[in-house]
Amino acid sequence: GAGVSQTPSNKVTEKGKYVELRCDPISGHTALYWYRQSLGQGPEFLIYFQGTGAADDSGLPNDRFFAVRPEGSVSTLKIQRTERGDSAVYLCASSSGGSSYNEQFFGPGTRLTVL
Amino acid sequence: GQQLNQSPQSMFIQEGEDVSMNCTSSSIFNTWLWYKQDPGEGPVLLIALYKAGELTSNGRLTAQFGITRKDSFLNISASIPSDVGIYFCAGQRSGNQFYFGTGTSLTVIP
Repeated sequence: GAGVSQTPSNKVTEKGKYVELRCDPISGHTALYWYRQSLGQGPEFLIYFQGTGAADDSGLPNDRFFAVRPEGSVSTLKIQRTERGDSAVYLCASSSGGSSYNEQFFGPGTRLTVL
Repeated sequence: GQQLNQSPQSMFIQEGEDVSMNCTSSSIFNTWLWYKQDPGEGPVLLIALYKAGELTSNGRLTAQFGITRKDSFLNISASIPSDVGIYFCAGQRSGNQFYFGTGTSLTVIP
């Protein structure tokens, strides 16, 4: 399909483990966003990429969280030493970028459960 | 992180009724957005507002950007069962960071 895809759709891990969450944006979209959505809450901004670089990573909660987008397309969100409080749905969105607002298209999310 | 306050938190209405929900913030925003999220899916954009006082419609949906730039509302007219879902507002101040509201859960009773 032509939309944003995220893998895996569900991830269950144990406390202290390392996880990687993948996002495939819409082809040609230069801007990519990661959000975290806890149960009953709205999405919370984590990080924004324009091309290959992280233009704004001010939403990352601590240094256990890291994201990359090495070729300006696929992005991976990496979480080290997972904690139970990291359990949430991680959403990725992409847009055509630019300085003014361009519609963000969201993927279905990855539901992360830390036991 | 900052979240916008949405009300009501949930609504149960009869099919055919009109719906109104709003979003407030202590901060000024330059852009207001309204999204709908279905279970297991990401949010989908419904309406985007760019100017204070702007009133924009999209089919049965109408949204307004408050004059103070600290609030917005969304109206849905003649609700139908497929309107069921969670509605989020989102605001953008500058740059590319968006702040989402706490959500309004809508249930439409046929």
